[in-house]
Amino acid sequence: DSGVTQTPKHLITATGQRVTLRCSPRSGDLSVYWYQQSLDQGLQFLIQYYNGEERAKGNILERFSAQQFPDLHSELNLSSLELGDSALYFCASSTSTDTQYFGPGTRLTVL
Amino acid sequence: KNQVEQSPQSLIILEGKNCTLQCNYTVSPFSNLRWYKQDTGRGPVSLTIMTFSENTKSNGRYTATLDADTKQSSLHITASQLSDSASYICVVSEKTGGGNKLTFGTGTQLKVEL
Repeated sequence: DSGVTQTPKHLITATGQRVTLRCSPRSGDLSVYWYQQSLDQGLQFLIQYYNGEERAKGNILERFSAQQFPDLHSELNLSSLELGDSALYFCASSTSTDTQYFGPGTRLTVL
Repeated sequence: KNQVEQSPQSLIILEGKNCTLQCNYTVSPFSNLRWYKQDTGRGPVSLTIMTFSENTKSNGRYTATLDADTKQSSLHITASQLSDSASYICVVSEKTGGGNKLTFGTGTQLKVEL
């Protein structure tokens, strides 16, 4: 158990819909990272937040947005969903730029 | 464009044997390189992290090497066990003005058999 929690575990929705994925970092970790992993694909870095502020941006689509709240939990919002958005979405947290601890992931299925 | 390439794409070995996984990268400016182990359907778990000045780092039966001049890294697994079956991912961090931007390799899928 990494100490990072993600909800929900599974999410099934239809194209065009909007969903919100939630992540709670390890206690004391200020950085939160979001990743997308499509079937048989590598992890794609989406975005990083540090203590509420956006710190780094990767290959995140404009339909996707994220935020980190004062209690340090983070949410990833995915809108106008397409079939290709079906993937595992991982959240990770860290205290520094060294080791990241990954959550169990949210499996999103878009039908 | 920053890239991280891993080889082989997949590997099958017998329990007890050793193996070496390769990672070549073009990320610049370089900050650090990490190896992760990812079991199917689960989040990656960090094995090692190396900065520019480190050539080798061990974590139990896992030993990672880094040649920052040739931009190559390897992960050596000694005396493999069935539980080593997983995807091994090489991740290179790019030094930026703010946070670290990470580039992930697509992983080497290792299967250890009896």
